[in-house]
Amino acid sequence: SAVISQKPSRDICQRGTSLTIQCQVDSQVTMMFWYRQQPGQSLTLIATANQGSEATYESGFVIDKFPISRPNLTFSTLTVSNMSPEDSSIYLCSAEASGNTIYFGEGSWLTVV
Amino acid sequence: QQQVKQSPQSLIVQKGGISIINCAYENTAFDYFPWYQQFPGKGPALLIAIRPDVSEKKEGRFTISFNKSAKQFSLHIMDSQPGDSATYFCAATASNQFYFGTGTSLTVIP
Repeated sequence: SAVISQKPSRDICQRGTSLTIQCQVDSQVTMMFWYRQQPGQSLTLIATANQGSEATYESGFVIDKFPISRPNLTFSTLTVSNMSPEDSSIYLCSAEASGNTIYFGEGSWLTVV
Repeated sequence: QQQVKQSPQSLIVQKGGISIINCAYENTAFDYFPWYQQFPGKGPALLIAIRPDVSEKKEGRFTISFNKSAKQFSLHIMDSQPGDSATYFCAATASNQFYFGTGTSLTVIP
């Protein structure tokens, strides 16, 4: 398994600002992912964080809005840029470990005011 | 296009009853089918998973039934408890691609 730590766990942000979420995995993993989850809704994949190369973004998500870093096999960051109230959501870091299984962090709950 | 279809959206069960959540898929390349449990304020946690070479997997009160020919799989929670009240997500994976169902909100009434 993999233990994933995210921070901040919760934040209230001003419109137009940017926030960087950090994700630390307790072991080296090949695949790391960032998801967004509206309260009470399902999981939407934002991007796959690739170590040593640019992240792979899903349709509807762009690098300028959600820049991602992956400097090594245990760490990644997601920045939510120029935030608007529509960005209020739960952002989840996840990692694939032990055979097709992905594990999630506890999430970062962002409220944009 | 939703790769994994999950039902029902919500479910209310009496304590001690059986909770059943169903999922269906189309892509026969999927080779791993996990279920996640998410409590309010927490991230999804892996609950139980199955590969398509078996028809059933049981862990405690939780059982996955898998029907490869029908391309369906379901989660059964036996003797449901109020502490099982959570949102449950099914998923299907293949080649590092992960697809989630839309979730089922389970409420177990004491």
